[in-house]
Amino acid sequence: SQQGEEDPQALSIQEGENATMNCSYKTSINNLQWYRQNSGRGLVHLILIRSNEREKHSGRLRVTLDTSKKSSSLLITASRAADTASYFCATDDAGNQFYFGTGTSLTVIP
Amino acid sequence: KAGVTQTPRYLIKTRGQQVTLSCSPISGHRSVSWYQQTPGQGLQFLFEYFSETQRNKGNFPGRFSGRQFSNSRSEMNVSTLELGDSALYLCASSLVPQGPTEAFFGQGTRLTVV
Repeated sequence: SQQGEEDPQALSIQEGENATMNCSYKTSINNLQWYRQNSGRGLVHLILIRSNEREKHSGRLRVTLDTSKKSSSLLITASRAADTASYFCATDDAGNQFYFGTGTSLTVIP
Repeated sequence: KAGVTQTPRYLIKTRGQQVTLSCSPISGHRSVSWYQQTPGQGLQFLFEYFSETQRNKGNFPGRFSGRQFSNSRSEMNVSTLELGDSALYLCASSLVPQGPTEAFFGQGTRLTVV
């Protein structure tokens, strides 16, 4: 079963625009991670945010975490065509179960 | 250092057969997790091994099994293959049990059951 759901399922933007995707989860978590997957390939880790953190930055990525709403958002600024991929959130819950969300498919149009 | 290596990359099997997939984690990583990815079900957790012990198991039938060797390499086996087992099987390795640290994924094994 999956703990997280990403929203939207698909997103299409122009190069240079910002992309925001959201992840909602069901139970208390220890950490939340975001991963990127290029078509049919392995996942690449982007960023990890702990339950006691509210915001984290890494290059053009900004992640927020709201544990009261059980949600997280990933913002990619100044998007590039190379950012075209599927993005997944993954949660580590109190039972040490690790779940991936349903994913957001991002298309950046040059 | 070398990344996570999964072999084979592609596999075609017939219904009823069995298959073994292999995963070599990053050197020094003791945790290996397996996932099944399909268009309909997304990424589903199969199991996680840490120091040769199965630490967690997802909701899959007993036809799916795995093991981890003393060198941390892992194999997963699927017996009596069904058409619905067609999927991308991904392996991930991490230093410690999955969750508090990033996981490194292999490129996956694309299994097609005909």
